[in-house]
Amino acid sequence: QVQLVQSGAEVKKPGASVKVSCKASGYTFTNYYMHWVRQAPGQGLEWMGVINPSGGSTNYAQKFQGRVTMTRDTSTSTVYMELSSLGSEDTAVYYCARPTDRGAFDIWGQGTMVTVSS
Amino acid sequence: QSVLTQPPSVSGAPGQRVTISCTGSRSNIGAGYDVDWYQQLPGTAPKLLIYENNNRPSGVPDRFSGSKSGTSASLAITGLQAEDEADYYCQSYDSSLSGSVFGGGTKLTVL
Repeated sequence: QVQLVQSGAEVKKPGASVKVSCKASGYTFTNYYMHWVRQAPGQGLEWMGVINPSGGSTNYAQKFQGRVTMTRDTSTSTVYMELSSLGSEDTAVYYCARPTDRGAFDIWGQGTMVTVSS
Repeated sequence: QSVLTQPPSVSGAPGQRVTISCTGSRSNIGAGYDVDWYQQLPGTAPKLLIYENNNRPSGVPDRFSGSKSGTSASLAITGLQAEDEADYYCQSYDSSLSGSVFGGGTKLTVL
């Protein structure tokens, strides 16, 4: 079955970087874009950006430009999201999500909790 | 605040009907971009509930329906059940931001 499995929880210090992985299975990896969405504790969903696994092109939300990098490894069907210069406001659950042809996110990873604390 | 505006909370008794609004602008919903809806139960990832304004994925009960008009969209839930208690989010695309946008979310309480 189609599945997205993310890496485990992370605890980082302010100013550090974090890299979260999302391994896809059950479909042709390069046929679907992959988005990243985050959710701070008790808050709503926030779109971070998208990567095209086929060519590696990316589009980041303006808020995160310069601080986020999305990459992919086609040999392992895995996408990565790296966020740098972490602050306490980056404490959140980070999700990868695969869209349908028209853009709705029908498949989600289980989420990765990132805690930024000194 | 969020680009798409939702009421923070709605409530209804079992069996009743509730609606959740999602108000956007001419750069997103009003520009003709699809609206999708998600249900999020506590401690879980969001689940696609309605796609392309008014379509239900397989397995979603027909008690859930979506509509879109002008710069707004709505999610309707009929025959409320206790298990419908969750957070609901709308989503669309915004041409000014060149990216996806979410509503702030609505917490549904079943009384």
